Amino acid sequence: RKEVEQDPGPFNVPEGATVAFNCTYSNSASQSFFWYRQDCRKEPKLLMSVYSSGNEDGRFTAQLNRASQYISLLIRDSKLSDSATYLCVVNTNAGKSTFGDGTTLTVKP
Amino acid sequence: GAVVSQHPSRVICKSGTSVKIECRSLDFQATTMFWYRQFPKQSLMLMATSNEGSKATYEQGVEKDKFLINHASLTLSTLTVTSAHPEDSSFYICSATWARDRNQPQHFGDGTRLSIL
Repeated sequence: RKEVEQDPGPFNVPEGATVAFNCTYSNSASQSFFWYRQDCRKEPKLLMSVYSSGNEDGRFTAQLNRASQYISLLIRDSKLSDSATYLCVVNTNAGKSTFGDGTTLTVKP
Repeated sequence: GAVVSQHPSRVICKSGTSVKIECRSLDFQATTMFWYRQFPKQSLMLMATSNEGSKATYEQGVEKDKFLINHASLTLSTLTVTSAHPEDSSFYICSATWARDRNQPQHFGDGTRLSIL
């Protein structure tokens, strides 16, 4: 089993849709959590950190459930520009980052 | 936000050439930098962790004599692909973290697209 697992995708949604991505992690010692987006042939860019209390940044909401070792990312009112691969990243207390394989989102007009 | 600069962005060279890629943190001290490789339509693969002033830690299956890493200062790490062959063609990406706080996210360079003919 992989340390960080994401929905395999791909997700194909119309503009304006709400889409949710899930991620589970196996290391209970994990300390910090992030969502990145990666556009085709580009480097990953930090989208948002994920906090236990849940956090929101505009149309994006991230949730963390430590008991279930589960992270989610919700995108509301999808835009064409949201099309990308979304990577779930988990840091252990040793500072090691583990990346999920990513979930590909395509938003269509 | 934190900025990581990677150079060059694109390299095309003949088989047998050694290629050096630089990764610089521009506005913070990066005690730890990471080197990744990504093949088309595949996920990021961590190659090695580079700590300033010490030897890099390589992931299983990555040849340390093939991929030389030097992290001589708090703002610069280099990856040298020695005697590169076509199978080394890939997208190489570095990242850096403000490692005094291990809960900080990694910040990525723009990546280097390496093509070996």
